[in-house]
Amino acid sequence: SQELEQSPQSLIVQEGKNLTINCTSSKTLYGLYWYKQKYGEGLIFLMMLQKGGEEKSHEKITAKLDEKKQQSSLHITASQPSHAGIYLCGADKSGTASKLTFGTGTRLQVTL
Amino acid sequence: NAGVTQTPKFRILKIGQSMTLQCTQDMNHNYMYWYRQDPGMGLKLIYYSVGAGITDKGEVPNGYNVSRSTTEDFPLRLELAAPSQTSVYFCASSQSGQLNEQFFGPGTRLTVL
Repeated sequence: SQELEQSPQSLIVQEGKNLTINCTSSKTLYGLYWYKQKYGEGLIFLMMLQKGGEEKSHEKITAKLDEKKQQSSLHITASQPSHAGIYLCGADKSGTASKLTFGTGTRLQVTL
Repeated sequence: NAGVTQTPKFRILKIGQSMTLQCTQDMNHNYMYWYRQDPGMGLKLIYYSVGAGITDKGEVPNGYNVSRSTTEDFPLRLELAAPSQTSVYFCASSQSGQLNEQFFGPGTRLTVL
């Protein structure tokens, strides 16, 4: 069974709209990573969250980790075509080495 | 600083053939990883290494072998290619294991026919 659930699986938004992507785990996470993947390319690191209740922002992207450290959300404000791609959450469940478990990804399209 | 580089970018193999996917990083990272990404699925860890001379299995190691003779290189070997190994393969590296960003290569798209 999939240990990290991402929702939605795909998303189409109009340019300028806000959106949220969720990542849920059945187990407590030592670290939660957000990556972006452009079609046909490698993964680009966005943010890493470690502490319960932590929130980080970079440009128009904000990521949060809930207090129980089992769910994270990625929020994009005023989406742009450059935000299009696949967003993947990765979780470190062991705390001993970065053997990340990844979600299946959320495919984001931004229309003009 | 090239980061993580992978070769080749694309490859088509026949069933039973063997090949080596190359991965090199120039960031002096201790940890290196190999993942595979199947369509519509997340990345799954094949093998990882915490330093030169040390390798360990990940989630899906069957059908693959790795070696880590230097800090920079972490090749992935497929001995008897099978259609189930058709996937996109990503190599990654990180400075250390705990709570460290992993840097990814651009990937190798492999098709086994």
